[in-house]
Amino acid sequence: NAGVTQTPKFRILKIGQSMTLQCTQDMNHNYMYWYRQDPGMGLKLIYYSVGAGITDKGEVPNGYNVSRSTTEDFPLRLELAAPSQTSVYFCASSYPGLGSPYNEQFFGPGTRLTVL
Amino acid sequence: ELKVEQNPLFLSMQEGKNYTIYCNYSTTSDRLYWYRQDPGKSLESLFVLLSNGAVKQEGRLMASLDTKARLSTLHITAAVHDLSATYFCAVVFNFGNEKLTFGTGTRLTIIP
Repeated sequence: NAGVTQTPKFRILKIGQSMTLQCTQDMNHNYMYWYRQDPGMGLKLIYYSVGAGITDKGEVPNGYNVSRSTTEDFPLRLELAAPSQTSVYFCASSYPGLGSPYNEQFFGPGTRLTVL
Repeated sequence: ELKVEQNPLFLSMQEGKNYTIYCNYSTTSDRLYWYRQDPGKSLESLFVLLSNGAVKQEGRLMASLDTKARLSTLHITAAVHDLSATYFCAVVFNFGNEKLTFGTGTRLTIIP
């Protein structure tokens, strides 16, 4: 299993441009999450999904959109990029369910985004 | 407000010494995670603590949970350079959606 994969690894955007950060997991996890990590800080939840077709906002959703059409994929869309969106973005997945009290979240390698 | 606070934020310690990182959280939770992050890398799960009094150990690291005090500790015994990293605690406050609230992290540097 590859686990959680993210593309691209690095990206530089100009103010006002748009892009999609890709996230794929091959563990058949139903829960998926997007976080951002600003320098020297902890992670903040942007959006999450409890299954295909179901998404909801996290702590810092403004300026982002998500969709979840399949169990495996959870792309994050940035419309009209702003310097405040310069950050490292992590995708994670988990499988809460019977016999899984730990519900550990598994993280992807991250995408480092700079908006100039 | 759902808050998770860690202290210290920065910790520089000599090899061979013992120290403790503290994680306080603002409201009831029965599940707490500890993660490790090396510079420029992703997060690696260390421990999951499920109930009051839970204690888990892996090598030189030991984590404990006191749900009544809303406090978890990560104790480092006889530190070695390889333990240099940033350590985060994270709490699930709402079991329906499994959202994690992270602390700001403790940057640990082990000096030879």
